[in-house]
Amino acid sequence: AQSVTQLDSQVPVFEEAPVELRCNYSSSVSVYLFWYVQYPNQGLQLLLKYLSGSTLVKGINGFEAEFNKSQTSFHLRKPSVHISDTAEYFCAVSEFDDKIIFGKGTRLHILP
Amino acid sequence: SAVISQKPSRDICQRGTSLTIQCQVDSQVTMMFWYRQQPGQSLTLIATANQGSEATYESGFVIDKFPISRPNLTFSTLTVSNMSPEDSSIYLCSVTGTSYGYTFGSGTRLTVV
Repeated sequence: AQSVTQLDSQVPVFEEAPVELRCNYSSSVSVYLFWYVQYPNQGLQLLLKYLSGSTLVKGINGFEAEFNKSQTSFHLRKPSVHISDTAEYFCAVSEFDDKIIFGKGTRLHILP
Repeated sequence: SAVISQKPSRDICQRGTSLTIQCQVDSQVTMMFWYRQQPGQSLTLIATANQGSEATYESGFVIDKFPISRPNLTFSTLTVSNMSPEDSSIYLCSVTGTSYGYTFGSGTRLTVV
């Protein structure tokens, strides 16, 4: 069965600094990978997804992620964060349009 | 992407009662999924709802507590039965697939008192 590990439960970063949120997955087959964002007291929004093709995936709000099959990783990056990026970020995996399994989440805390 | 309408958006319920949550999709989809998000935690899959067959439940979730209906390809309900305060959570439905956008409903925030 597939699983997701988000290595950091909280990441503090200064405004306008770069950030990387780490995600590793486990699966016995090829997978689809996702990053979702949940702003305080709001619903879940898809940031980006990897289905196939280019391993560098660009998403909304300036975020991007790179799929690394050999390291089974899908880390999320942004070159310069803003206070509005304060949110919970969830990495998730799916085995071909089946159920989506979520990691425990990483809280991104932007420092002024 | 598919558009999912979920209701109610929130409710406060007495312990021992039941609440039925509805999820309507604007496309015909084979599988719909129900999740629970307990306070301050991630999303946990409750079950997969297939049209025309019984739902498939994940470990730790049982049909008597979370009965699911799937009468057609655009609609599903999740009932939270005999509620206790530990059931206070956000419940979400979702659909997956490149045609549907891996979309989640806006969620039902349930508080059991």
